[in-house]
Amino acid sequence: GQNIDQPTEMTATEGAIVQINCTYQTSGFNGLFWYQQHAGEAPTFLSYNVLDGLEEKGRFSSFLSRSKGYSYLLLKELQMKDSASYLCAVTGFQKLVFGTGTRLLVSP
Amino acid sequence: DGGITQSPKYLFRKEGQNVTLSCEQNLNHDAMYWYRQDPGQGLRLIYYSQIVNDFQKGDIAEGYSVSREKKESFPLTVTSAQKNPTAFYLCASSIDTVNTEAFFGQGTRLTVV
Repeated sequence: GQNIDQPTEMTATEGAIVQINCTYQTSGFNGLFWYQQHAGEAPTFLSYNVLDGLEEKGRFSSFLSRSKGYSYLLLKELQMKDSASYLCAVTGFQKLVFGTGTRLLVSP
Repeated sequence: DGGITQSPKYLFRKEGQNVTLSCEQNLNHDAMYWYRQDPGQGLRLIYYSQIVNDFQKGDIAEGYSVSREKKESFPLTVTSAQKNPTAFYLCASSIDTVNTEAFFGQGTRLTVV
């Protein structure tokens, strides 16, 4: 089976840095994705990690440790538009499974 | 333009009726997925298909059925056996089921009254 855990909600202020953690326990693992989802909309792809280490893409970075079953998404220079849900997802055994998602609220 | 299309965006049905949600993609993707999302929750996998004419149950398949007769189409039927069908349904596709990002449709919000 697969179990993917994320904090339910986080708050941060504009301009700050926030780290959203994801831990997973899966019987098969190919890679880990992060998606952003604004309320009532479809998720959009942010990042993908298949090897251990940090992947940087502009203000967003994602880290993976396969031995620890752990990933985080780092958002820098937060903007109000970053208020959204952030979904961690794992591929393994031919399917893509999502975590519960973390709702991020950015305040002025 | 290439993409993945779900229709309709909003759907209302009476309790006890079956309803079919449409999902079409012109991205030439082999893999397709159906997810259910309840308010404030993550995405839960209903069914997935790795290739045409093949599909597998996800974590919450009870009360749902799918078909994959064409590569570009993966319709989901919500049957009367589904106890709590009111939810936001999302369809996605990817090149394969291993290491490629999934692209999502805009979702169908189903309300059963």
